[in-house]
Amino acid sequence: GAVVSQHPSWVICKSGTSVKIECRSLDFQATTMFWYRQFPKQSLMLMATSNEGSKATYEQGVEKDKFLINHASLTLSTLTVTSAHPEDSSFYICSARDIRQGAVEQYFGPGTRLTVT
Amino acid sequence: GQNIDQPTEMTATEGAIVQINCTYQTSGFNGLFWYQQHAGEAPTFLSYNVLDGLEEKGRFSSFLSRSKGYSYLLLKELQMKDSASYLCAPAADSWGKLQFGAGTQVVVTP
Repeated sequence: GAVVSQHPSWVICKSGTSVKIECRSLDFQATTMFWYRQFPKQSLMLMATSNEGSKATYEQGVEKDKFLINHASLTLSTLTVTSAHPEDSSFYICSARDIRQGAVEQYFGPGTRLTVT
Repeated sequence: GQNIDQPTEMTATEGAIVQINCTYQTSGFNGLFWYQQHAGEAPTFLSYNVLDGLEEKGRFSSFLSRSKGYSYLLLKELQMKDSASYLCAPAADSWGKLQFGAGTQVVVTP
């Protein structure tokens, strides 16, 4: 099956610094990628939808200037958490889909656990 | 708005059957997904229904009624490894934007 990787798998950073998370589709071209956030014992919350070559569409309440998304190629999307604060500590998960193939399934990455101290 | 309801937790014994119900209200609808998520891991795909009826895939089956905004996931011959959170996720549009329910934690006991 299709594989999506994320890097890093976990990161600890100091308050005020920025962190970049990469999401790669390894064996298919991801025309669309989604970024989710999950707090402990809660469900996944969609943050933004990213289509290759265009600007990301953010969900209501998600600050686009704080969570910068770049989908520069068909296999890579990045999420940068700028000026991170402790309340940004969460599990960030990406998913990818190749709409051109008509596939409906989204393949999820293994997630990145961010801890801001 | 979006509203997805599923039970918080269900407990069953090994070898038994458990049915997880999900009701949803979404502004758009392009099928419904069920995912399994073990603690600390990303979700893994279980099933997808876009038409009414039952889809069977091994020990797991999923049912959809679009008119009722209702789906269920049926887990048969439960195994200990099935202990996980099960997420109901209707797709809101053709891009595949998913809205996740809070998840149902299934606990399988010996």
